[in-house]
Amino acid sequence: GAGVSQSPRYKVAKRGQDVALRCDPISGHVSLFWYQQALGQGPEFLTYFQNEAQLDKSGLPSDRFFAERPEGSVSTLKIQRTQQEDSAVYLCASSLEEREIDEQFFGPGTRLTVL
Amino acid sequence: TQLLEQSPQFLSIQEGENLTVYCNSSSVFSSLQWYRQEPGEGPVLLVTVVTGGEVKKLKRLTFQFGDARKDSSLHITAAQPGDTGLYLCAGARGSNYKLTFGKGTLLTVNP
Repeated sequence: GAGVSQSPRYKVAKRGQDVALRCDPISGHVSLFWYQQALGQGPEFLTYFQNEAQLDKSGLPSDRFFAERPEGSVSTLKIQRTQQEDSAVYLCASSLEEREIDEQFFGPGTRLTVL
Repeated sequence: TQLLEQSPQFLSIQEGENLTVYCNSSSVFSSLQWYRQEPGEGPVLLVTVVTGGEVKKLKRLTFQFGDARKDSSLHITAAQPGDTGLYLCAGARGSNYKLTFGKGTLLTVNP
């Protein structure tokens, strides 16, 4: 079984462009998380899905950020009108169930650089 | 927002030395996790501690959760170059699935 995969691994965008980041969780995992990790920082929670339902989006920094998981599997994080402060590594994680102590398996991340 | 403070922020030691890194908060956590992250990769879970005063050992790594469940430590015995990486602690509260991460300790073990 493959782990969590993310694509692209690297993305360079000009300020103002829209970007879409993809996450393929481990097959059968119910929960999916998105985190933002700025340089020299720990990951910060962005949003959480249980199957296709987005149960918490309190960590999304602005209304330019949008995430979806329409079929309860693959998820996409979209950032509209990118700004330089959006430059970071975006990590996706999945877990088998929704219990608090279930292990979250992280993907390798997408490094976004906004010029 | 809970704040987890990790110390030291950077640590460079020689192979064979022992070390301890710390994770402290003013808030109580129902569980705390330790991760190791290598460059270009996502964090990988090392251990989860849930009971105040709990001690868990993983080969040369010893993890302790404070009695009050506000702090934790990670002790590595006889460090090896393969231990090099960013060590992150992350806490969760109650039934909240959200993880709050510290900034991490960047450990370099020199041969």
